[in-house]
Amino acid sequence: DAGVIQSPRHEVTEMGQEVTLRCKPISGHDYLFWYRQTMMRGLELLIYFNNNVPIDDSGMPEDRFSAKMPNASFSTLKIQPSEPRDSAVYFCASSLLGYRAFFGQGTRLTVV
Amino acid sequence: AQSVTQLGSHVSVSEGALVLLRCNYSSSVPPYLFWYVQYPNQGLQLLLKYTTGATLVKGINGFEAEFKKSETSFHLTKPSAHMSDAAEYFCAVSLNTGNQFYFGTGTSLTVIP
Repeated sequence: DAGVIQSPRHEVTEMGQEVTLRCKPISGHDYLFWYRQTMMRGLELLIYFNNNVPIDDSGMPEDRFSAKMPNASFSTLKIQPSEPRDSAVYFCASSLLGYRAFFGQGTRLTVV
Repeated sequence: AQSVTQLGSHVSVSEGALVLLRCNYSSSVPPYLFWYVQYPNQGLQLLLKYTTGATLVKGINGFEAEFKKSETSFHLTKPSAHMSDAAEYFCAVSLNTGNQFYFGTGTSLTVIP
């Protein structure tokens, strides 16, 4: 298995633009997590899905953030409009039965 | 290149015994080091982190870790295991630029009553 695949690896965008981050979880996994990592705040859980259903989105910072999981093999995290303070590394992770998360390599987002 | 190796994918300890979870890293520059814990059906939580300064770092729930540059290690310890410590533990390394993070494959800790 190729592991959790995230795209793009790097994204530079201007403030106010829409940004979409993509994630393909490991086949067969039933949990999918979106995290944001910054040096100041560490790793923050934004939202997670179980069987494609959002379970806990309390970590989503603002209404500008939204996440979807239309099927078991694909999820998106969208920021609209983006702001400089959204600059961070965004991780997607998947797991089976909510245990032993496997992380993607992350997307480094820079908003200028 | 940066990488993280966690020795032992499964560790079992008796309640009250010492917990030792091993983490070794490779990094071309001084790293930032992290330990995270994941309880079943939950996301990861930060236990502790080392950036600069004192090499012995104390975290939540009685855990601590020591950065040993000569051994390229950042092992996690707790003097006395509690049943509630049963979880998955991840070590992670980041360059001080904060541009990329690398996670170990995790260690599952079981606490035996």
